[in-house]
Amino acid sequence: QKEVEQNSGPLSVPEGAIASLNCTYSDRGSQSFFWYRQYSGKSPELIMFIYSNGDKEDGRFTAQLNKASQYVSLLIRDSQPSDSATYLCAVSSPLTGTASKLTFGTGTRLQVTL
Amino acid sequence: DGGITQSPKYLFRKEGQNVTLSCEQNLNHDAMYWYRQDPGQGLRLIYYSQIVNDFQKGDIAEGYSVSREKKESFPLTVTSAQKNPTAFYLCASRDRSQPQHFGDGTRLSIL
Repeated sequence: QKEVEQNSGPLSVPEGAIASLNCTYSDRGSQSFFWYRQYSGKSPELIMFIYSNGDKEDGRFTAQLNKASQYVSLLIRDSQPSDSATYLCAVSSPLTGTASKLTFGTGTRLQVTL
Repeated sequence: DGGITQSPKYLFRKEGQNVTLSCEQNLNHDAMYWYRQDPGQGLRLIYYSQIVNDFQKGDIAEGYSVSREKKESFPLTVTSAQKNPTAFYLCASRDRSQPQHFGDGTRLSIL
């Protein structure tokens, strides 16, 4: 069983629409959740993180967390062609000492069409 | 500018050769990480280090080695024991309680 699951896509949305990206995780002890955007051939870039149940908004992005359902999502409002990328969901779990480990999903490819 | 610098961007390895990937950060972060990304897969943790002169194996450490002699540097050596080294290698660092941020990556291929 995969620890962090995402639909690989592609998810295609028209420009201006809301894109909804979903992620489920298996470790109930996970405390921190992250969304990274990765353009083709580039490294991941952090766009959102969330620690508490509920919604967290930052500009056009909203992260939603439901720990009871082990579910985290990312909403992108007013989608733009520049949002076309792969979105990686990552879940943090503790390692030794103060270190933490990120477990990544395989990513959802988003295509924003004109 | 503060950041994480990985070099080289592209690297080619011959059969039986060890190669070393560089990762330097000037963010004064204690924790540093190495991940590997294969096409269509998520990132997988190779090694991590919390402090100088200390490092721990991640999920796929076989065939790799690291050192942490300085706070700002965490080089990764891909040894000849790693039979499938072709991948995108990403170095990350973080400050206590903060998210990880990544360097630009090194793409390693076999000649």
